[in-house]
Amino acid sequence: DVLMTQTPLSLPVSLGDQASISCRSSQSIVHSNGNTYLEWFLQKPGQSPKLLIYKVSDRFSGVPDRFSGSGSGTDFTLKISRVEAEDLGVYYCFQGSHVPWTFGGGTKLEIK
Amino acid sequence: VQLQQSGAELVKPGASVKLSCKASDYTFTEYIIHWVKQRSGQGLEWIGWFYPGSGSRKYNEKFKDKATLTADKSSSTVYMELSRLTSEDSAVYFCTRHEGGLVGFAYWGQGTLVTVSA
Repeated sequence: DVLMTQTPLSLPVSLGDQASISCRSSQSIVHSNGNTYLEWFLQKPGQSPKLLIYKVSDRFSGVPDRFSGSGSGTDFTLKISRVEAEDLGVYYCFQGSHVPWTFGGGTKLEIK
Repeated sequence: VQLQQSGAELVKPGASVKLSCKASDYTFTEYIIHWVKQRSGQGLEWIGWFYPGSGSRKYNEKFKDKATLTADKSSSTVYMELSRLTSEDSAVYFCTRHEGGLVGFAYWGQGTLVTVSA
């Protein structure tokens, strides 16, 4: 199975700060068709996860442009340029390139 | 697009439970439905998927003897039956629609809490 390792586990920030979350895969998650199925989700308490980023760097419909994704191969990053209160919660990376599809362990974005 | 999941379940160890995920506001047979497990305060695990268009399905090997995915086209509902339940199966279970192509899990159900307890 592809292990997705997120760091840090917890990320205390002040509103307006930039935040950066890392996600590393235990092997390349480039699919045999050449695409990289790497996604980022935000889950708030008591809610289901919400898709933010797909295909490494494409923002899903309605996601603010302060969210950006980057990376390739085994190393990926989610950046939030100016954290707002509504951004607080747990962020998960996910790979859909190799079965079984797997999620990272999560990074909790919280107020400093 | 809406995915409405069935209500919370309290079940005894060794029993089975069948969860439902009713889809609406889109053509049911055109999209694959996946299931994801989340134990309390923990991360997310992919269980498997079901494609209503063909009836095909695929499981995470870890869940192949635990979960059974089926669907009823007439009611646009996908089901997941969990068997021989233990405390390790206590979790929230989400259904989610895969968009196909390069976009992934854009739509999610609200989750169903399953508690396994005597």
